[in-house]
Amino acid sequence: DIVLTQSPVLAVSLGQRATISCRASQSVSISSINLMHWYQQKPGQQPKLLIYRASNLASGIPARFSGSGSGTDFTLTIDPVQADDIAAYYCQQSRESLTFGSGTKLEIK
Amino acid sequence: EVQLVESGGGLVQPGRSMKLSCAASGFTFSNYGMAWVRQAPTKGLEWVATISYDGSSTYYRDSVKGRFTISRDNAKSTLYLQMNSLRSEDTATYYCTMGLFDYWGQGVMVTVSS
Repeated sequence: DIVLTQSPVLAVSLGQRATISCRASQSVSISSINLMHWYQQKPGQQPKLLIYRASNLASGIPARFSGSGSGTDFTLTIDPVQADDIAAYYCQQSRESLTFGSGTKLEIK
Repeated sequence: EVQLVESGGGLVQPGRSMKLSCAASGFTFSNYGMAWVRQAPTKGLEWVATISYDGSSTYYRDSVKGRFTISRDNAKSTLYLQMNSLRSEDTATYYCTMGLFDYWGQGVMVTVSS
């Protein structure tokens, strides 16, 4: 299985930029298609799709969220961070089977 | 508006069975593959099983192969997960998801304990 590695916690100040990383144990890209996706899960809620195929914003997601990366290294950026963004963020790959990262909890400094 | 409503969870003894259901609305159910994803208490997300739009293809994670069965009834817009030989490690909130996790239900808790 492809293992996705995320830092457990990220603390940022309100109004600043948050950069959440995800590293895959092998490439999750096929040609120019990056099969990496990002989800937000607020406490007590179900996950919600934020970004699909590395850089495409899902429907209804604010433009403060963006994604980038290819191959094995991917990034979710939130700029500027708002109080409502307190949540866990998960990356997920669909290149080979379906696996999730362990999640990054975004905290406010 | 897409809605996915899970039901059927609860407390079950190890080795017993349980069947989860997911009622879908707000989209053409028969056009989409569907999946179940679970989350153990305080843990991360884990894909469980996927079924194609017409039910002809199914896929499972290794740890549930031979014990769980995903199925669907397109006439009723309902997804199912039959879980047999349940183990304590199956304890989790089970989410019904549309497509490649585009939309998620609110989840249903399954607790496997004696």
